[in-house]
Amino acid sequence: GQNIDQPTEMTATEGAIVQINCTYQTSGFNGLFWYQQHAGEAPTFLSYNVLDGLEEKGRFSSFLSRSKGYSYLLLKELQMKDSASYLCASTDSWGKFQFGAGTQVVVTP
Amino acid sequence: EPEVTQTPSHQVTQMGQEVILRCVPISNHLYFYWYRQILGQKVEFLVSFYNNEISEKSEIFDDQFSVERPDGSNFTLKIRSTKLEDSAMYFCASRRGQGVLYEQYFGPGTRLTVT
Repeated sequence: GQNIDQPTEMTATEGAIVQINCTYQTSGFNGLFWYQQHAGEAPTFLSYNVLDGLEEKGRFSSFLSRSKGYSYLLLKELQMKDSASYLCASTDSWGKFQFGAGTQVVVTP
Repeated sequence: EPEVTQTPSHQVTQMGQEVILRCVPISNHLYFYWYRQILGQKVEFLVSFYNNEISEKSEIFDDQFSVERPDGSNFTLKIRSTKLEDSAMYFCASRRGQGVLYEQYFGPGTRLTVT
């Protein structure tokens, strides 16, 4: 079956690091994307992985292991504005996204 | 920076009415998508569209739904007879090419409320 699992909520303090894990089981896998979504707004692109390994983009990094069906998003030097939902999404060759339910990250002072 | 736009931002309609949600994808993009997000739930794929035809659709996208690209710029989603459970945020997305290296850009969404 098709499944994408990620934790429902995580809490961390400003300046800390948080790692959001995602496991997926989808057909026609062609890549793994991470999006940020603030309440009532559209998802905005953060990072993606096609091959195994780590991709770093400023304060955000994402890791993929295709053999394990596993990815994580690492958020460093957390800021209050990082409080949002983080969506893990797998994509197929047609570009269709299958999203996880999202992980709500709460950043506290 | 080019962006995907959607109108209206909020649509309220009565059950059984037809609604048309409009999207203007980024001008040189070739692949188009509709997603929906029921409040508090995950973003769900509805349909993908390329070369003036549907390339893939989900189980949600039944006979009540249709998509059209009437004039080469707009991309519309029509719901023929709305149900209460169609209340959701509807996102349009587009991308330049098919490969995973092409980023998918999302519009700001239309909040549909069916009463």
